[in-house]
Amino acid sequence: GQQLNQSPQSMFIQEGEDVSMNCTSSSIFNTWLWYKQDPGEGPVLLIALYKAGELTSNGRLTAQFGITRKDSFLNISASIPSDVGIYFCAGSSGNTGKLIFGQGTTLQVKP
Amino acid sequence: DSGVTQTPKHLITATGQRVTLRCSPRSGDLSVYWYQQSLDQGLQFLIQYYNGEERAKGNILERFSAQQFPDLHSELNLSSLELGDSALYFCASSPYSQAYEQYFGPGTRLTVT
Repeated sequence: GQQLNQSPQSMFIQEGEDVSMNCTSSSIFNTWLWYKQDPGEGPVLLIALYKAGELTSNGRLTAQFGITRKDSFLNISASIPSDVGIYFCAGSSGNTGKLIFGQGTTLQVKP
Repeated sequence: DSGVTQTPKHLITATGQRVTLRCSPRSGDLSVYWYQQSLDQGLQFLIQYYNGEERAKGNILERFSAQQFPDLHSELNLSSLELGDSALYFCASSPYSQAYEQYFGPGTRLTVT
């Protein structure tokens, strides 16, 4: 079945640093989504990507849909303490809304 | 606030029992999705309904079933519960049947004792 590998698994950084994380898939996706989840809460949508090569920003967040359609990247610039949480990539192929999720990247920011 | 509501927030029950989780999608959204999140399996897609019809099925156990009602709210029924069913269950919604931005509810934490 389809699998998503998300890396790194965790990151511990200093406030103000930039962060990069990525996801790779064993198969082609038509849609890539990036979510952030705080403990005990539901995932919150950060960025949605629908086209190979697409680069989209949301404030300090920038995500890209890889040109091979098998990967996606999320960058966070100038991290702040409220960026702490778990970041998930999710991808979809076919003609349904079924999402496959990565294992998540846990981000900790030291003030 | 995503606009997706789920009840109850917490549920504690015993093995062998049956529970029903409820979800109301965002206003105007026709698709409802159910996901299970556990520590060892991560976020797993269970099932999708679009405008009352089953649209896609994931790794949903036969003991689990779902439906979407004419007012578009959805219920997930879990029966013959086992300890391993303890997890967070999320509902998400979107306007369309195909992959699109999905907005998640706050989840129901199910504990089976």
